[in-house]
Amino acid sequence: QKEVEQDPGPLSVPEGAIVSLNCTYSNSAFQYFMWYRQYSRKGPELLMYTYSSGNKEDGRFTAQVDKSSKYISLFIRDSQPSDSATYLCAMSPYNTDKLIFGTGTRLQVFP
Amino acid sequence: DAGITQSPRYKITETGRQVTLMCHQTWSHSYMFWYRQDLGHGLRLIYYSAAADITDKGEVPDGYVVSRSKTENFPLTLESATRSQTSVYFCASSENRGETQYFGPGTRLLVL
Repeated sequence: QKEVEQDPGPLSVPEGAIVSLNCTYSNSAFQYFMWYRQYSRKGPELLMYTYSSGNKEDGRFTAQVDKSSKYISLFIRDSQPSDSATYLCAMSPYNTDKLIFGTGTRLQVFP
Repeated sequence: DAGITQSPRYKITETGRQVTLMCHQTWSHSYMFWYRQDLGHGLRLIYYSAAADITDKGEVPDGYVVSRSKTENFPLTLESATRSQTSVYFCASSENRGETQYFGPGTRLLVL
């Protein structure tokens, strides 16, 4: 079993829809949680960063961490075709060198 | 331009040849990483470095060699390329351990 599980998709939604992207994890020591967006043929870029539990909002994006369920989510409101990309979750325990990445969920937003 | 750059962006080579992928960052970040990204596997860590002259293995280090003589550079060498090393390679850096990593644009490598 992988430490971080992420549904590969693709997830196809109409423009304007609310999108929910999720990752589950098995290591209760994870403290830092990140979401990266990767456009086709580009490197991943950081979208959201949260520490421990709770919610964080940035424009149309909300990151949510539920440590009791070992579950993190990224919500995208009013989705746009420009949001079409692969979204990777990443996480790490406190005081460690490496991030553990999910395999990514491919999102397609059609007009 | 500031940031993290990789070269070459595309490379075609033959089995058995030595190939070096370059990575350069201008932030003076302590940590640098090399990943490969393959369909179905996501990002897999090859090697990383906590500082100049300090490197450590990641998840898939076999067949790769790294060095870090200067903080800003972290080259990845495939000593004798194999077809299974056909992949997209990403370099990343972070300021401190366990923190956000910033990625380069990637190098697409095809081994024939």
